[in-house]
Parts: sequence; C-alpha cells; structure tokens
Amino acid sequence: KQEVTQIPAALSVPEGENLVLNCSFTDSAIYNLQWFRQDPGKGLTSLLLIQSSQREQTSGRLNASLDKSSGRSTLYIAASQPGDSATYLCAVTIMRDAGKSTFGDGTTLTVKP
Amino acid sequence: EADIYQTPRYLVIGTGKKITLECSQTMGHDKMYWYQQDPGMELHLIHYSYGVNSTEKGDLSSESTVSRIRTEHFPLTLESARPSHTSQYLCASSEWGASYGYTFGSGTRLTVV
Repeated sequence: KQEVTQIPAALSVPEGENLVLNCSFTDSAIYNLQWFRQDPGKGLTSLLLIQSSQREQTSGRLNASLDKSSGRSTLYIAASQPGDSATYLCAVTIMRDAGKSTFGDGTTLTVKP
Repeated sequence: EADIYQTPRYLVIGTGKKITLECSQTMGHDKMYWYQQDPGMELHLIHYSYGVNSTEKGDLSSESTVSRIRTEHFPLTLESARPSHTSQYLCASSEWGASYGYTFGSGTRLTVV
C-alpha cells in the first residue's frame, strides 16, 4: 500500500525566506504527483502536477521536483509572503491504481511578516 | 468556466434528519470522489465513482450513501444525521490520464446538533 509522508508537520519562517517542503512516498511506480494548498476551512487548491515522465514543474514562485528513484518530491517556495501561510498537501497516484490518489497529512506553513 | 460546485457551503441540522450534500462538475470528468476531513486532520476517502452507475466505498467506513445517475452530479446522502457526522465534506473530480489531477470543490461544513 502506498504511504505518503510529509515532514515537517509544521514550519514557521520569516517573510522573504526561500523554503522547501518535502513529500516522500513508498511506491515509486507513480502515475503522477500533485501539490495542493488548503486554507483553513476551505477546499484544496491545485498548485502543480508532475506527471511520471517529468522531473519538475514551475508556476510563478513555486517549483516542484520529482525524484522517483528516491521516492521524493519537493515543493520550493521562493521569497515567501504572509499570504503563503496555509497547509500544503501532496497527493500521489500510482500506476496499478490510477483511479485514486494517496494524500499526505500536509505541512502547515506560517510566514511571519 | 469549468469548475466543481458544492452546496450548501454550511449546514446546521438536527439529529435524525435526512440530508443530501450536492456536488456538480462542469468538466465532464468520469472520476468523482467524496472526502471527509475534520479540522486540522487528514483527508479520508469515503466514496468514489468512475462513471455513471458506478460507485464504490472508500477507505473510511461511512454511513452515507452516494449515487451517480449523471456524469456531472455526485450527491451524498445521510439518511439519519448524528453528531458524529459533524465534519467537512469535500468533493473532487478528475479524469483518466497522467496529465489530469484532482479538482476540489469548496466543501460543505456540516454540523449536526
């Protein structure tokens, strides 16, 4: 069974700092991996999706990378802002069960002004 | 604009009442999902569907039921609400293909008193 782990569970940084969020998974035969942002009491907003054949995706200040051999993905946030404060989740879909994704528990990020 | 809609956004209801949470998507996606999430906690998959007249139970046992009579519509019903059903319910959709990720609705926050 695929297991997805996100460490740390919580992170607090000063505004302007560059930071990296981590997502580890146990089954490397992945189909795709998706990063989401969730604000308190809200739904999940998709940030980036990396297909199995890709190594990274970029959107604005966000860059997500994928290393299947080591079972890791990272989300890099450049020049963090207080508005980036939220919980960030990764979701991994594997080849043999492409219908459903396995979600990590998330990293709660606080960016202090 | 392609999107996924959940209604109501908030619902407070008495014990024993029957309720239906609505979820509709305009993207023509075959795959739809219901997740349950308590505040600050992880997502739990409770139901999913891969197409019309196809429904399956998820990883977390739930007393709710779902139907998929039309591609765009995936309602969730609780026949007799209880305080233990108090939670946030998130609907999502996706399509087959590694380039497709999940799109989530804004959620329904249910409180049973």
